[in-house]
Amino acid sequence: GAVVSQHPSRVICKSGTSVKIECRSLDFQATTMFWYRQFPKQSLMLMATSNEGSKATYEQGVEKDKFLINHASLTLSTLTVTSAHPEDSSFYICSAREYEEAFFGQGTRLTVV
Amino acid sequence: AQSVTQLGSHVSVSEGALVLLRCNYSSSVPPYLFWYVQYPNQGLQLLLKYTSAATLVKGINGFEAEFKKSETSFHLTKPSAHMSDAAEYFCAVSHSGGSNYKLTFGKGTLLTVNP
Repeated sequence: GAVVSQHPSRVICKSGTSVKIECRSLDFQATTMFWYRQFPKQSLMLMATSNEGSKATYEQGVEKDKFLINHASLTLSTLTVTSAHPEDSSFYICSAREYEEAFFGQGTRLTVV
Repeated sequence: AQSVTQLGSHVSVSEGALVLLRCNYSSSVPPYLFWYVQYPNQGLQLLLKYTSAATLVKGINGFEAEFKKSETSFHLTKPSAHMSDAAEYFCAVSHSGGSNYKLTFGKGTLLTVNP
């Protein structure tokens, strides 16, 4: 199956700083990528849909200015958590669509201290 | 609108026993249905999917699921559990239409396998 690479797998940052997470489709072109957030022992919550060359579509309740999404190419989408706070600590997962199937990255564990 | 309900947040079985993880869906249009597995601190891996072809779907690692429209169910089964099956399992639904292919996940079921 197709491969989606997410980097970094784990990051610790200080409160008030920004963190960028990359999501790459390695062997296919993804016009649409998705960003999820997962709290401990809970399901995935869709944050936003990222479309190549256009603005991301955010789900209700997700702050656009805090979670900046850029999808500059058909193989790369980035999520930047700006002015991070401890409550932003979570597991972030991206996925990319190829035909009818979604492929997921390995996830990024963000810890804000 | 679409939704998924996974009955039982935690299922515990003995090694070699039958695994049954329950999933019921709600969708106003014909759904696509998926089962994913997640190991700790990792992303999701697709086990199997239903996309309006055969109602009995076979996936990886010996798992299978049956789409039952009358019961709006898509339960996941495996005849004999293995220790390596211990993980979190998510059922998800999507519409066949729409270019964005948005997935809605259930809350997940943690499967533990006892020796």
